[in-house]
Amino acid sequence: GAVVSQHPSRVICKSGTSVKIECRSLDFQATTMFWYRQFPKKSLMLMATSNEGSKATYEQGVEKDKFLINHASLTLSTLTVTSAHPEDSSFYICSARDRDRGTEAFFGQGTRLTVV
Amino acid sequence: GDSVTQMEGPVTLSEEAFLTINCTYTATGYPSLFWYVQYPGEGLQLLLKATKADDKGSNKGFEATYRKETTSFHLEKGSVQVSDSAVYFCALTQANQAGTALIFGKGTTLSVSS
Repeated sequence: GAVVSQHPSRVICKSGTSVKIECRSLDFQATTMFWYRQFPKKSLMLMATSNEGSKATYEQGVEKDKFLINHASLTLSTLTVTSAHPEDSSFYICSARDRDRGTEAFFGQGTRLTVV
Repeated sequence: GDSVTQMEGPVTLSEEAFLTINCTYTATGYPSLFWYVQYPGEGLQLLLKATKADDKGSNKGFEATYRKETTSFHLEKGSVQVSDSAVYFCALTQANQAGTALIFGKGTTLSVSS
């Protein structure tokens, strides 16, 4: 199957700093990638849809100035958490769909962000 | 809008017990349905899928049948193993819309003891 690589897998940062998370599709072109946040009680919240070469579409309640998304190429999308605070600590997961492989979505390994 | 409802957990079973995790959905048209599994500290892996009514997805002993009349996609396994302990997510997406994200249920934690 298609592979989505997410990096880093874990990161600890200080309050007020910014953290960048990368999501790469290794063997397919992903015109659209998705960013999710997973809360402690397991539920996955869609944060934004990232389209190559255009602005991301954010879900209601997600601050676009705080969670900057860039999708500069068909294989890379980045999520930058700006001015991080402890409440931003979470598990972030990216996903991509390959238009040639039907409806299945492929997921990265996730990034555990801890803000101290 | 579209939504997925799955049974709340945790589900605790002994090894070799029968497993059912219920999932129902609300959606327009004919969505594709999925079960994903998440092992501790990892991302999501596709377990099985079904793209049209009456399809049965199966993998690793798990099965689920797309029931349009009851808008359900219940996950079953005849004999669970300790290694099946994980969180299971039911999800849907509208077919052939590559720009559309998956919509997930809240997840069900399965714990299997030997």
